[in-house]
Amino acid sequence: AQTVTQSQPEMSVQEAETVTLSCTYDTSENNYYLFWYKQPPSRQMILVIRQEAYKQQNATENRFSVNFQKAAKSFSLKISDSQLGDTAMYFCAFMRPLGGATNKLIFGTGTLLAVQP
Amino acid sequence: DTEVTQTPKHLVMGMTNKKSLKCEQHMGHRAMYWYKQKAKKPPELMFVYSYEKLSINESVPSRFSPECPNSSLLNLHLHALQPEDSALYLCASSQDRGQGYNEQFFGPGTRLTVL
Repeated sequence: AQTVTQSQPEMSVQEAETVTLSCTYDTSENNYYLFWYKQPPSRQMILVIRQEAYKQQNATENRFSVNFQKAAKSFSLKISDSQLGDTAMYFCAFMRPLGGATNKLIFGTGTLLAVQP
Repeated sequence: DTEVTQTPKHLVMGMTNKKSLKCEQHMGHRAMYWYKQKAKKPPELMFVYSYEKLSINESVPSRFSPECPNSSLLNLHLHALQPEDSALYLCASSQDRGQGYNEQFFGPGTRLTVL
């Protein structure tokens, strides 16, 4: 069974600085998808970034980038130039490429990030 | 329209009440999901509907009864709930392509309190 581990329950960063959130996972699959979701206090779960395991290049979305280390089964999220609106719970998630609605998302326990002014 | 809507935003109910949560999407998605999320915890999958048919039930107690009357609408009927069922209930939808990745779009959730 797949598992996703986030070892940092809470983190804090100053506005405009850079922060890295850690995620490790366990799977015997060779092909899969990894995600970072953001859930601000407003509760809406928002997809931040996605990585396909078969792609060696790390995904980037504006200020958000990942460091995907497939052999180490590590998938960290780097947030550059942190903004107050980045304050949220961040969930790392894993999905097997089964196709269809049976693609279950397996979530980590989350990291609560606070951006300080 | 790229949004999933959920009503009501908040719901307080007694243990003998019957209530329903509603979820709607107009993105043409054919898969819809119910998740339960306790405070500071990740979402837990409850049910998945694919083409209006229940495809996954994660051993959810029968006091939760899902319904998918059409491809745009998903309901969760609640009856005889317990205080420990108090949580945020999230709905999501996605394409249901046979291959590859189907991004799940989440609604804002319904905050349920059972007294």
